[in-house]
Amino acid sequence: AQSVAQPEDQVNVAEGNPLTVKCTYSVSGNPYLFWYVQYPNRGLQFLLKYITGDNLVKGSYGFEAEFNKSQTSFHLKKPSALVSDSALYFCAVRDITGGFKTIFGAGTRLFVKA
Amino acid sequence: DTAVSQTPKYLVTQMGNDKSIKCEQNLGHDTMYWYKQDSKKFLKIMFSYNNKELIINETVPNRFSPKSPDKAHLNLHINSLELGDSAVYFCASSPSGGWQFFGPGTRLTVL
Repeated sequence: AQSVAQPEDQVNVAEGNPLTVKCTYSVSGNPYLFWYVQYPNRGLQFLLKYITGDNLVKGSYGFEAEFNKSQTSFHLKKPSALVSDSALYFCAVRDITGGFKTIFGAGTRLFVKA
Repeated sequence: DTAVSQTPKYLVTQMGNDKSIKCEQNLGHDTMYWYKQDSKKFLKIMFSYNNKELIINETVPNRFSPKSPDKAHLNLHINSLELGDSAVYFCASSPSGGWQFFGPGTRLTVL
């Protein structure tokens, strides 16, 4: 069965500092991995995905994520945080042999302080 | 043009009523989804259709019934609404296997 864990309910970081939002996953086959962001009272927005290829994936708004197969992790990173990055971030996984079902993590709230 | 639209945006109703939420996507995607987001922001898949065929049917009460009249539409009908149905319901679409594009959500409040 697929599962996703986001171990931190909230991450606090000062503006200008690097940020990391953690995600680990479990699938029986090879994973498709995604990060989404949700701003208040909005739907989720796609940030980036890993399907195959380079382990470092670049996405929207300066975010990137690193796929680590041995640690089954897909942490979201940004070199320099902005106050406007404050939002709820969801990691998601889909087993490429398991059809269309995507499992979302519980979400991590990122708070960037000016 | 809005890519994934949902109507209504807000829905306030009494327990026991029947209500529907409509979703339309103009992205040409093959797959559409319904998710429920609870008050703790946990997101749970409910249903998914691929080319009008039901492919995901999670463990939800049978008071919830999806209907896909065509590839661009996926509606959600809820019978005999209960207090616990209060949540934000998101529609999403994707190309087969791809990332999902979410609608703005429908906030359902059952009194």
